[in-house]
Amino acid sequence: EVQLVESGGGLVQPGGSLRLSCAASGFSFRDYAMNWVRQAPGKGLEWVSVISGSGVSTYYTDSVKGRFTISRDNSKNTLYLQMNSLRAEDTAVYFCAKDMGRGNYGDYDYFDYWGQGTLVAVSS
Amino acid sequence: DIQMTQSPSTLSASVGDRVTITCRASQSVSSWLAWYQQKPGKAPKPLIYRASNLESGVPSRFSGRGSGTEFTLTISSLQPDDFATYYCQQYSSYSRTFGQGTKVEVK
Repeated sequence: EVQLVESGGGLVQPGGSLRLSCAASGFSFRDYAMNWVRQAPGKGLEWVSVISGSGVSTYYTDSVKGRFTISRDNSKNTLYLQMNSLRAEDTAVYFCAKDMGRGNYGDYDYFDYWGQGTLVAVSS
Repeated sequence: DIQMTQSPSTLSASVGDRVTITCRASQSVSSWLAWYQQKPGKAPKPLIYRASNLESGVPSRFSGRGSGTEFTLTISSLQPDDFATYYCQQYSSYSRTFGQGTKVEVK
């Protein structure tokens, strides 16, 4: 059974930093691209970032470029999102989502499994 | 980035109704289109991929059609468990984008 379990969310002041983790199990983690998707309170879904299965390729939505860094440790089956210079508009539930594609050759796909999400609140 | 626009934003319906949600892309995404269902406080659940393929375990009352820039999700006979918010998502590039969502509520 595929499981994705996020952790690391919490309350942080504007300008602060936070690192999210997503522990994966039940599939060959290194073989699939992984994503972060966020959902602000009462709003829709917003794709944030993706990393290829090998970890070589990463992409970000424009609003987080230069502030967020996605990474993965395939030996630990864990996905990360380092979030720096946080702003109030980053407040959201952050989901990790498994890609159906590997991403190693640009083959990104839809998301077949999602974690339960972790809440990040940016406020003074 | 490719923009995805869903209509309507809210849909009021009764159990047994046939409901259709439309999703339009700002440019062609071929058939690289997925639909998700989300209930309050829960993660999205995939329903349809590649515009018309039913995800394993999803009831056959759900169906998807379309290609290029216009897509539809249809629920043939709405069931109590189907009241939720539905999102389309294009995956024609690494920058996957979602529609703004359609909430299906009780009429």
